[in-house]
Amino acid sequence: DTGVSQDPRHKITKRGQNVTFRCDPISEHNRLYWYRQTLGQGPEFLTYFQNEAQLEKSRLLSDRFSAERPKGSFSTLEIQRTEQGDSAMYLCASSSTSTGSYEQYFGPGTRLTVT
Amino acid sequence: GENVEQHPSTLSVQEGDSAVIKCTYSDSASNYFPWYKQELGKRPQLIIDIRSNVGEKKDQRIAVTLNKTAKHFSLHITETQPEDSAVYFCAATYGGYQKVTFGTGTKLQVIP
Repeated sequence: DTGVSQDPRHKITKRGQNVTFRCDPISEHNRLYWYRQTLGQGPEFLTYFQNEAQLEKSRLLSDRFSAERPKGSFSTLEIQRTEQGDSAMYLCASSSTSTGSYEQYFGPGTRLTVT
Repeated sequence: GENVEQHPSTLSVQEGDSAVIKCTYSDSASNYFPWYKQELGKRPQLIIDIRSNVGEKKDQRIAVTLNKTAKHFSLHITETQPEDSAVYFCAATYGGYQKVTFGTGTKLQVIP
């Protein structure tokens, strides 16, 4: 296992289109997090899962955003009717509640550009 | 909710000098404070963390201090090297497995 992976790494879309991103966490990590990072800022929390249950959603996550983790392994983040303000790096992270370590391991991110 | 402020936003030091980055947090319930390093175009990576039951932690050239009363925590890098150049983020969270609130980042430049 080489760490958290995300696909695609880059996505260019036109305003109004729908996009979906995928995150594969470190195997056996039961917690999975989504963050959004814009240029010059720190990552901002969007949502997180324990196994397949979505435990918390940020107010940043409008109705156009939806996230799933159907089998408690990989997760998808969908943005409907994209807007230019959605342009950002979308980061996924994972952690395990059984190791005693609180560390969240980040993936390489998906850079979204909305034109 | 939690709010984390970070200073300075940019920091330039000569190679071999020390660098200090300071952060404050607002939620007294926060009890876990990680520091992440992010190189250009790369993912954030944890470099050191501290829990609220500890006042200081050191790992080779990196140390973190925590003042719970003042709600301040700081990152200290000694004997800086050019490869330390990156953006550093402080962060805070409650419980350790919850969402993490990040600071706005400090761009550290180490001049050879």
